[in-house]
Parts: sequence; C-alpha cells; structure tokens
Amino acid sequence: QQQVKQSPQSLIVQKGGISIINCAYENTAFDYFPWYQQFPGKGPALLIAIRPDVSEKKEGRFTISFNKSAKQFSLHIMDSQPGDSATYFCAASTRQGAQKLVFGQGTRLTINP
Amino acid sequence: EADIYQTPRYLVIGTGKKITLECSQTMGHDKMYWYQQDPGMELHLIHYSYGVNSTEKGDLSSESTVSRIRTEHFPLTLESARPSHTSQYLCASRRQGWGNEQFFGPGTRLTVL
Repeated sequence: QQQVKQSPQSLIVQKGGISIINCAYENTAFDYFPWYQQFPGKGPALLIAIRPDVSEKKEGRFTISFNKSAKQFSLHIMDSQPGDSATYFCAASTRQGAQKLVFGQGTRLTINP
Repeated sequence: EADIYQTPRYLVIGTGKKITLECSQTMGHDKMYWYQQDPGMELHLIHYSYGVNSTEKGDLSSESTVSRIRTEHFPLTLESARPSHTSQYLCASRRQGWGNEQFFGPGTRLTVL
C-alpha cells in the first residue's frame, strides 16, 4: 500500500524557471513532511521540512506548500539552476514509535541550461 | 556533512557468499535504519532499530539480518548472497524526538554475480 504518492516521475525545466513537485498522503496521523534531495551515487540529504500547523515554509529558493484538508504538499524550486538537477523525494512520518519515514516514489528533475 | 559512514562503497561478489555491510555514526543517535534502493528509485525500509539490542523488520521483506550491539554501529548481513540482492543499501540515523532530521550515509552499491 503506497501511503505517499509523488508526481511527476520526471520533470524537465529551463534554467530560471519554477520546478513544482507534488505529493499526496493518506495517513492523517502523519505530522512531519520532509523533502530530500539525492544526487547520483550519494545518499539523500534533507532539503526542507514542514509540520502540519503551517501552510507554507520557505528556505531560500525552496518552498513547501502544505494543504492539510487535501492531504497534499508540494515543493517549489524558484529560479531553478542546473545544479538543482537531482532526484527529489517527499516523505512523511508520525511522531510515535520509530518515526519511520514513508517515502514517495521520487522525481528526477533536470534543469536545462 | 552528516557523520554517518558506510563501507564498502562498492562490492561485487559471487552467488552464495556471506557479506556484511558496515554502518557507523558518530552523532550518538538512538534510531538507525537500513533502506534498499534501486538507482534513482523509491527507498524501501528493510530494517530499523530503536537503540542498543533493538532490531525490527521494515516494510519490505528482506533476507538480510541486522544487529545493534553498540549505539554507533548497525551492520547488515546477508548469509548467502543472490543476484536478486543486487541493489544499493542506504543506512540512516536520527536523534530521538519528533521532527529531528534523518541523516543518510553514502550507500553501498552491491552487485551479486
């Protein structure tokens, strides 16, 4: 059962454009929503995270928008750069127990110069 | 940069061999995790640990086993490797408490011939 669905699977954006990746979740007990960035041959690294008590969080060119009623959240990358080309994963977890992260399927982002 | 290490980074072995993938972290994190990931694809949790002497199976069934004798060390063992075990294995850790960042190691790419 896929608890976090991510789209699109791949995305091509021109340099300077806005990249948007979407995720939807099913478990209403989720209360922590991070986004990870992964470059080839590397482990994922935390990019930005949000809690459900806010609707938006911004860090530099990266913004998470969160819609609790729709159970959806998205990552926006403003002024996309070739160095942003990577695979992005959304994830979600609850605060109980092992706080296991449930990951989306990933989005391969390519920024064309 | 996260202080979580994995060795070896690459391993090519023959069918039937016993292997151990090493994972160590110097951050004193209680919780540790093992994920299996095909290149650029979704991360699947195969094992996790709450702390010393605690190990649990993850969401994806795996023939591997783990141990947690020391806080900083969480090795993964395959008693008899098969070609179906070919994948990337990622180790991760996080500090106890809600919303704390989960750090990933660089991964071990395993190829079983």
